[in-house]
Amino acid sequence: DAGVIQSPRHEVTEMGQEVTLRCKPISGHDYLFWYRQTMMRGLELLIYFNNNVPIDDSGMPEDRFSAKMPNASFSTLKIQPSEPRDSAVYFCASSLSGLAVLGGISYEQYFGPGTRLTVT
Amino acid sequence: AQSVTQLGSHVSVSEGALVLLRCNYSSSVPPYLFWYVQYPNQGLQLLLKYTTGATLVKGINGFEAEFKKSETSFHLTKPSAHMSDAAEYFCAVSDHNTDKLIFGTGTRLQVFP
Repeated sequence: DAGVIQSPRHEVTEMGQEVTLRCKPISGHDYLFWYRQTMMRGLELLIYFNNNVPIDDSGMPEDRFSAKMPNASFSTLKIQPSEPRDSAVYFCASSLSGLAVLGGISYEQYFGPGTRLTVT
Repeated sequence: AQSVTQLGSHVSVSEGALVLLRCNYSSSVPPYLFWYVQYPNQGLQLLLKYTTGATLVKGINGFEAEFKKSETSFHLTKPSAHMSDAAEYFCAVSDHNTDKLIFGTGTRLQVFP
């Protein structure tokens, strides 16, 4: 498997512009997570989906952020309008059945390479 | 609520020396525990995990960790550091009923020749 795929790998945009980040999870995985990583705040969970349905979006910083998962193989994270403080690395991760116990086996999250967003 | 504390945001060791990265967790029930590694400009990669069974777990690249319930710890060790081990390491915890990982703040490991 190719692993979790994210695009673009780098994005530079001007303040006020719309930014769309894309993620393709590992085939067969039914959980998808969006994280943001900054020096100041570390790794933050923004939102996650189960079977394409958003389960918890309490980490989404504000209404400028939105995420969708129209099907099992694609998700987007959109920022509109973007601001300089949104500059960060955004990671997508997927997992099989979350971290449910099944025969004592835990399903870990697999991370994509990230998208480095710079808003000027 | 689950939480995890990583002691020391930066750790420096000489090549060949013992690596010890500390992680303590808070949980009212036996947790699932993970160590992830992040190399520069890459995503997080699972090093090892503890769910049930043997408390000493071995991972990739010669790393291992021991779950100590009495100390609520899950410290990561490697007997002999290699230059390629320089990276950021994250401890994470979940429990039986959640689908989320709670990450620590990370420890940056530097290895000097």
